[in-house]
Amino acid sequence: DTEVTQTPKHLVMGMTNKKSLKCEQHMGHRAMYWYKQKAKKPPELMFVYSYEKLSINESVPSRFSPECPNSSLLNLHLHALQPEDSALYLCASSQDAGQSSGNTIYFGEGSWLTVV
Amino acid sequence: AQSVTQLDSQVPVFEEAPVELRCNYSSSVSVYLFWYVQYPNQGLQLLLKYLSGSTLVKGINGFEAEFNKSQTSFHLRKPSVHISDTAEYFCAVSDWYGEGAQKLVFGQGTRLTINP
Repeated sequence: DTEVTQTPKHLVMGMTNKKSLKCEQHMGHRAMYWYKQKAKKPPELMFVYSYEKLSINESVPSRFSPECPNSSLLNLHLHALQPEDSALYLCASSQDAGQSSGNTIYFGEGSWLTVV
Repeated sequence: AQSVTQLDSQVPVFEEAPVELRCNYSSSVSVYLFWYVQYPNQGLQLLLKYLSGSTLVKGINGFEAEFNKSQTSFHLRKPSVHISDTAEYFCAVSDWYGEGAQKLVFGQGTRLTINP
């Protein structure tokens, strides 16, 4: 099973709303990621969690708040977003095999977010 | 910082013809390279990866890539394409952030369109 599951698949929210994107994996991976992908662009890294601790924040605005409740779950809390935040949000995971950057990163199907 | 350049933004090909999608990387140190495919309205799926060893890497769906250190290239090839290969293809290089975290840096993507 090499599946990363994301919910919801589509989300429309107003600029004053608070919502969350959820991600789950059962591969025993200890690194989990959030990527943002705008239309016709490559994915851009937002956050990395390693062993349930935030290890990378790519200078993401505070209106995006990640959370890793346990090794299988990753959330992205959204608050006071702007229309330009509309994008595909991809969750991913990889196995920590020690000091290696050659691990395969497995992506979910993504959550399409529209901010109105 | 490591980077990759995909030399073609769009590649139109007739069905059953061969195809090559070009990717060049910038790093001069040990490098881990990946090719991912993204079908319309879906997440990213790993096609193949190069970590070390044989420079010819075989992946899924009949794709293969050749790592060329002297030319800093990692071109993706398929001898005969099908309509179902129509998708966006991303070349990526992996960087190590320590503590079990790695970062994928993507190229701008190549849109492969297969015409009947």
